[in-house]
Amino acid sequence: GQQLNQSPQSMFIQEGEDVSMNCTSSSIFNTWLWYKQEPGEGPVLLIALYKAGELTSNGRLTAQFGITRKDSFLNISASIPSDVGIYFCAGPHANSGYALNFGKGTSLLVTP
Amino acid sequence: GAVVSQHPSRVICKSGTSVKIECRSLDFQATTMFWYRQFPKQSLMLMATSNEGSKATYEQGVEKDKFLINHASLTLSTLTVTSAHPEDSSFYICSAKTGADTEAFFGQGTRLTVV
Repeated sequence: GQQLNQSPQSMFIQEGEDVSMNCTSSSIFNTWLWYKQEPGEGPVLLIALYKAGELTSNGRLTAQFGITRKDSFLNISASIPSDVGIYFCAGPHANSGYALNFGKGTSLLVTP
Repeated sequence: GAVVSQHPSRVICKSGTSVKIECRSLDFQATTMFWYRQFPKQSLMLMATSNEGSKATYEQGVEKDKFLINHASLTLSTLTVTSAHPEDSSFYICSAKTGADTEAFFGQGTRLTVV
């Protein structure tokens, strides 16, 4: 089945630093999604990408859909303590077209 | 955005009992709902897809007789964990969509602990 490889697994940074994480897929995706999950909560959609090469921003967050359609990255600029959480990339599930296949997540810790 | 609500948010049950988790779309009609399971420090794994009025489609390795899914209305899907065992302890999350070209909205999750 599809494999989503997300890196890094975790990041420990200081407030104000920029963050970059990426995701690669073993197969071509038509959609890339980035979610944030806080402890004890469901994931919340941050950015959705629908076209190869697309670069989309949401406040301090920027994500790009790779040209090969097999990768995507998420950048967070000027991190703040409330950015703490686990960030997941996701794409369409192979078996259930409308469900999602998630990466393993990047755990972000931000120190003041 | 659309709101998906799960109930309960956390539940503790004894081994061998059954637990029902509800997933409701509060301000939209969800033709399709999904159930995911997330073990500690791991990713979300799809368990099943349910369409209103029809039987759920389960992913490989998910026992349909153990995880009963009912999607009887356009705003409610339920997941019943039957004869729960400690290894069923996990975070269960649902999501709901209104149609093919819409994003899925996630519930806040249900923490199940089987003792």
